[in-house]
Amino acid sequence: AQTVTQSQPEMSVQEAETVTLSCTYDTSESNYYLFWYKQPPSRQMILVIRQEAYKQQNATENRFSVNFQKAAKSFSLKISDSQLGDTAMYFCAFMSTGTASKLTFGTGTRLQVTL
Amino acid sequence: EPEVTQTPSHQVTQMGQEVILRCVPISNHLYFYWYRQILGQKVEFLVSFYNNEISEKSEIFDDQFSVERPDGSNFTLKIRSTKLEDSAMYFCASSKRSSYNSPLHFGNGTRLTVT
Repeated sequence: AQTVTQSQPEMSVQEAETVTLSCTYDTSESNYYLFWYKQPPSRQMILVIRQEAYKQQNATENRFSVNFQKAAKSFSLKISDSQLGDTAMYFCAFMSTGTASKLTFGTGTRLQVTL
Repeated sequence: EPEVTQTPSHQVTQMGQEVILRCVPISNHLYFYWYRQILGQKVEFLVSFYNNEISEKSEIFDDQFSVERPDGSNFTLKIRSTKLEDSAMYFCASSKRSSYNSPLHFGNGTRLTVT
């Protein structure tokens, strides 16, 4: 079974600064997918960014980028130019290639963006 | 942008009672899911549903739980004889396909409190 670990329960960053959220995972599979989801106070889970394991290039979506280290099984999220609206719970998630879109989530990191 | 909607936002029930949590997935989506999040813990997969049958379920999804798509728009989760430990946030999600390229869209969740 796959596991996803987020070792930072809480993080804080000042507006306009950069913050990196950590995620590690464990799997015996060679191909899989990784995601970061954001859960603001509205509670809705919103997809932030995704990465295919067989792609070496790190995914980027505007101010959000990942550092995917397959050998180390690490998938960190970097948020540049942090904005107050980035305040949320961030979940790292794993999807195997053959599990009908079933996601395995980490425990989450609560990010607070301050003035 | 179309959204997954869940009702009610908060449900309080007594132990031993049955509850039905309701979801309206995005209209052209074919795959449906339920996840739950016990307070302070990670989001956990319960069940996936496609073509009017369960395609995958977790160990959590025992005989106490059932899902149904009673009409063309609703997707429900029924919990029979609720227990205190069923108290959690329940998230519905849907996707167009069972594929990495078809990400899950989540609803805002239903907070279930069992007293």
